[in-house]
Amino acid sequence: NAGVTQTPKFRILKIGQSMTLQCAQDMNHNYMYWYRQDPGMGLKLIYYSVGAGITDKGEVPNGYNVSRSTTEDFPLRLELAAPSQTSVYFCASSYAPYNEKLFFGSGTQLSVL
Amino acid sequence: ILNVEQSPQSLHVQEGDSTNFTCSFPSSNFYALHWYRWETAKSPEALFVMTLNGDEKKKGRISATLNTKEGYSYLYIKGSQPEDSATYLCASNTGFQKLVFGTGTRLLVSP
Repeated sequence: NAGVTQTPKFRILKIGQSMTLQCAQDMNHNYMYWYRQDPGMGLKLIYYSVGAGITDKGEVPNGYNVSRSTTEDFPLRLELAAPSQTSVYFCASSYAPYNEKLFFGSGTQLSVL
Repeated sequence: ILNVEQSPQSLHVQEGDSTNFTCSFPSSNFYALHWYRWETAKSPEALFVMTLNGDEKKKGRISATLNTKEGYSYLYIKGSQPEDSATYLCASNTGFQKLVFGTGTRLLVSP
C-alpha cells in the first residue's frame, strides 16, 4: 500500500517559471490537502479538496492553483514562481475532514532562484 | 485566524528521562486536536487524534491528554529513547476542514 505519493522530491525553479507538484493517494480518501512548511513556521494550508471536482482555498493560496479531477490525484500548480514560494511542500489526505488523522506524502523541497 | 501554540520550542533530555510538551489552542468551537511525530528527512506521522474533553490516548511510551475547556493538550514521553528524537507537532481546528498546525517542539534525546 503506497499511501500518499508526492513528486518530485526536489526542484529548483527560476523566477517566473511554472511547475506542477504531483500528489496521488491510493487509500480512497475524499479529503486531500496541500501544506507548505517554512522555517520556524507551522505547516500552512494552501488548498484543500473534499472530493473530486471540489476544491477550496486555505490560509495561503496566492500564487497557486489546484484541480481534483479524480479521487486519487490532487496536483498543485505554481504559476510564475517567486522567491517567496521557496518552501517544503507536503500533500496529505484523510478519510474524514477533522477527526481522522492525516497521511502525508514525503514532501517536495522547492527553491525559486 | 486560529492560533495554535506549542511549548517548549525545543528540548534536550537524556536517555531514560520522562518529558512532556504543551499545545495550547482556542477553546471555543473546538473540533479536534491532532499530534504528529516528524522525524528529520521524513514526513509527519500521526500519533493521536482527540475530540472529547478529558480524552487520554496512549501508544507505547507516549501518551496525550486533552482539556478542551481550558484549551490545552499535553504529550508525555516516558523513559525517552534516542529514537524518540523528532519534532512533535500539534494541530487543531475550529473550522470543519481547516486544521491549523503549531510550530512544533523539537526533542533531542541523548544516549
